[in-house]
Amino acid sequence: AQTVTQSQPEMSVQEAETVTLSCTYDTSESDYYLFWYKQPPSRQMILVIRQEAYKQQNATENRFSVNFQKAAKSFSLKISDSQLGDAAMYFCAYRSFRGAQKLVFGQGTRLTINP
Amino acid sequence: EPEVTQTPSHQVTQMGQEVILRCVPISNHLYFYWYRQILGQKVEFLVSFYNNEISEKSEIFDDQFSVERPDGSNFTLKIRSTKLEDSAMYFCASSEVGGETQYFGPGTRLLVL
Repeated sequence: AQTVTQSQPEMSVQEAETVTLSCTYDTSESDYYLFWYKQPPSRQMILVIRQEAYKQQNATENRFSVNFQKAAKSFSLKISDSQLGDAAMYFCAYRSFRGAQKLVFGQGTRLTINP
Repeated sequence: EPEVTQTPSHQVTQMGQEVILRCVPISNHLYFYWYRQILGQKVEFLVSFYNNEISEKSEIFDDQFSVERPDGSNFTLKIRSTKLEDSAMYFCASSEVGGETQYFGPGTRLLVL
């Protein structure tokens, strides 16, 4: 079974600085998807960014980018120019390419933005 | 932009009572999911639903749980006899067929007393 590990329970960053959140996963599959979801205090789950494992190019979405290292099974999220609205719980998630559609989540990283 | 909606936003119930949580997935989506998040813990998969049947379920999804798509728009999760440990945030999600991304609703916070 696939597992996702986020080893940083909490992170903090100064406003306008850059922060990187770590995620590692374990799978025997070669094709899959990886996601970062954001959960603000309202507790809604909001998609931040996704990466297809067959793509070598790292995904980017405005200030958010990932560093996908397939061989190392690592999928980190970089947030540039951090803003107060980025404060949230961030979850890394894995989904198989075929078959099981379920998302497997990591434990989450609570990100605090210091003004 | 289309979004997944859930009702109620909060539900308080007594242990042993039945609850029904409702979801309206995005209209052209055909895969539906329920997840739960116990306070302070990670999000856990409960069940996925496609073509009017369960496609996958976790070991959490025991006989106390059931899902239904009673009409063309709603997707429900029923807990027959709630336990204290069912207290959690319940999220509905949906995706297109072949779509890799699941879109989540705002959640229902269930408290069992």
